[in-house]
Amino acid sequence: AQTVTQSQPEMSVQEAETVTLSCTYDTSESDYYLFWYKQPPSRQMILVIRQEAYKQQNATENRFSVNFQKAAKSFSLKISDSQLGDAAMYFCAYLWGSQGNLIFGKGTKLSVKP
Amino acid sequence: GAGVSQTPSNKVTEKGKYVELRCDPISGHTALYWYRQSLGQGPEFLIYFQGTGAADDSGLPNDRFFAVRPEGSVSTLKIQRTERGDSAVYLCASSSSGRGGETQYFGPGTRLLVL
Repeated sequence: AQTVTQSQPEMSVQEAETVTLSCTYDTSESDYYLFWYKQPPSRQMILVIRQEAYKQQNATENRFSVNFQKAAKSFSLKISDSQLGDAAMYFCAYLWGSQGNLIFGKGTKLSVKP
Repeated sequence: GAGVSQTPSNKVTEKGKYVELRCDPISGHTALYWYRQSLGQGPEFLIYFQGTGAADDSGLPNDRFFAVRPEGSVSTLKIQRTERGDSAVYLCASSSSGRGGETQYFGPGTRLLVL
């Protein structure tokens, strides 16, 4: 069975600094997708970034980038120039190519200090 | 356009009662998903619709839970004989066609509290 592990329940970063959130996953599949979602107190899950496993190039979206290590089954999220609005729960998620359902980790609560 | 909407935002009910939670997906999206998020946990999959039919209902915890999508748009999650353990945030998501790897767009969820 596929699993997603986020080993950092909480992280803290100073405003304008950089922080990295960790995620590892376990799968025997070769065709899959990985996601980072942000969940602020409003509860709505917002897509941060998406990575296709067959692409070697790491995905980036403005201040957000990933370090995708397929052999190590690692998918960390780097947030540069952290802003107060980045404070939220961050969830790593896995999606197998032919499945419909996302498999989520337990999340990392990110605090941003002014 | 409008995102995924869910009603009600919050629902308080008594143990043993019946509840219905509604999800209105992004217009034109054929795939719709229900997840349940317990306190301090990530969302867990319940059921996935492709059009009007349930393509995968393997996540429904027991036969008290049922979901429908009769016209391929709005979906209703129905919970019979609610138990205190059903208290959670119920999230709905939709994607364009349900093909592998598509991004799922989430609604704001319904927080269900069973007293």
